[in-house]
Amino acid sequence: GENVEQHPSTLSVQEGDSAVIKCTYSDSASNYFPWYKQELGKGPQLIIDIRSNVGEKKDQRIAVTLNKTAKHFSLHITETQPEDSAVYFCAASRNGGFKTIFGAGTRLFVKA
Amino acid sequence: DGGITQSPKYLFRKEGQNVTLSCEQNLNHDAMYWYRQDPGQGLRLIYYSQIVNDFQKGDIAEGYSVSREKKESFPLTVTSAQKNPTAFYLCASIPATGANQPQHFGDGTRLSIL
Repeated sequence: GENVEQHPSTLSVQEGDSAVIKCTYSDSASNYFPWYKQELGKGPQLIIDIRSNVGEKKDQRIAVTLNKTAKHFSLHITETQPEDSAVYFCAASRNGGFKTIFGAGTRLFVKA
Repeated sequence: DGGITQSPKYLFRKEGQNVTLSCEQNLNHDAMYWYRQDPGQGLRLIYYSQIVNDFQKGDIAEGYSVSREKKESFPLTVTSAQKNPTAFYLCASIPATGANQPQHFGDGTRLSIL
């Protein structure tokens, strides 16, 4: 069935360093890829998304890249800050579909 | 402000008891979802509803039931048939299914067994 694999499951970086989280999807018809940030005791919130007609999107310190041929996409956070510490989820869905498939999540720790 | 409200934030279930988790949205969204979140397993779909008076099973519907009598409300009942109910439950909505859009989430209900 449809699947999204996410790596790593845990990531620890020093404040100011970059963090990269990678996801691979199985459904070649997927064309929408959102990223969510979940803080402790809260629901996930969208931080950035990308559609399959572009290869890269940037919003301040956050960027997402998409390789449709390889069916993988990545989240890049630059100049990390302690408030970036959270669980990050990648996801994939397609037009006409009712379902969003989520990765298992990456717990990011940013050490001050 | 528009959003999704889940209640209660914490819930405890006794053996053999059914419990109901509330989810209300004022976003005027057609589609609503229930997910279960366990550590290290991401979000698993329990049920979803594309429109009032209609709902469909997700990947792990056994032991759960839902209703969608009003557009803004999508309550989830965890029945006694669900033998491992301890988890974090998330409700979400989108304007409509079929068009790729991000999901809006509530802040969850944490269910534990007494």
